[in-house]
Amino acid sequence: DQQVKQNSPSLSVQEGRISILNCDYTNSMFDYFLWYKKYPAEGPTFLISISSIKDKNEDGRFTVFLNKSAKHLSLHIVPSQPGDSAVYFCAASAWEYGNKLVFGAGTILRVKS
Amino acid sequence: GAVVSQHPSWVICKSGTSVKIECRSLDFQATTMFWYRQFPKQSLMLMATSNEGSKATYEQGVEKDKFLINHASLTLSTLTVTSAHPEDSSFYICSARQDRTNQPQHFGDGTRLSIL
Repeated sequence: DQQVKQNSPSLSVQEGRISILNCDYTNSMFDYFLWYKKYPAEGPTFLISISSIKDKNEDGRFTVFLNKSAKHLSLHIVPSQPGDSAVYFCAASAWEYGNKLVFGAGTILRVKS
Repeated sequence: GAVVSQHPSWVICKSGTSVKIECRSLDFQATTMFWYRQFPKQSLMLMATSNEGSKATYEQGVEKDKFLINHASLTLSTLTVTSAHPEDSSFYICSARQDRTNQPQHFGDGTRLSIL
């Protein structure tokens, strides 16, 4: 049972425009959500996180939105840059489960110049 | 800060060989380290969680005797793939976290293991 889903395998965006990456989850126990960026043959790099007590967290060009009632979160990148091209993983954790991360399948983002 | 080093980055070896992968937290003490496996075009799958000084906790379906994990210090965890076979070929990634509270895990760059 996939508890964290990223339904779009890939996304292509023009440089300078907004990139919106989506993530859905099924387990209501999740209370902490993270986005990681991964280049080929490298480990994931932490981007931004959000606690379930918030609905928005912003860090520079990256903003994460959380809609608990819909069990949905999204990552907005504005403006998108060619260097943002990578695989983006959504992850969720719950205190009750020892804060182990459950990852989505990832979305490949391609930013065209 | 929060740098995790994983070594080696790439291993090719014969079937039946045991392979050890090291994961080090370079600038922080990692109370907990995690080992993941990633198949091509799939997500990261948690294999086991290790806390310093105690036995690792393995996820369902992961063979403890096959994947030996040692977390002897707050900066080092090792994963040994014993008697590796071609089906063990995969990308193995470790991560480290300082404590149990909501801190992000920081990942190593992974080890690509190819068993011939």
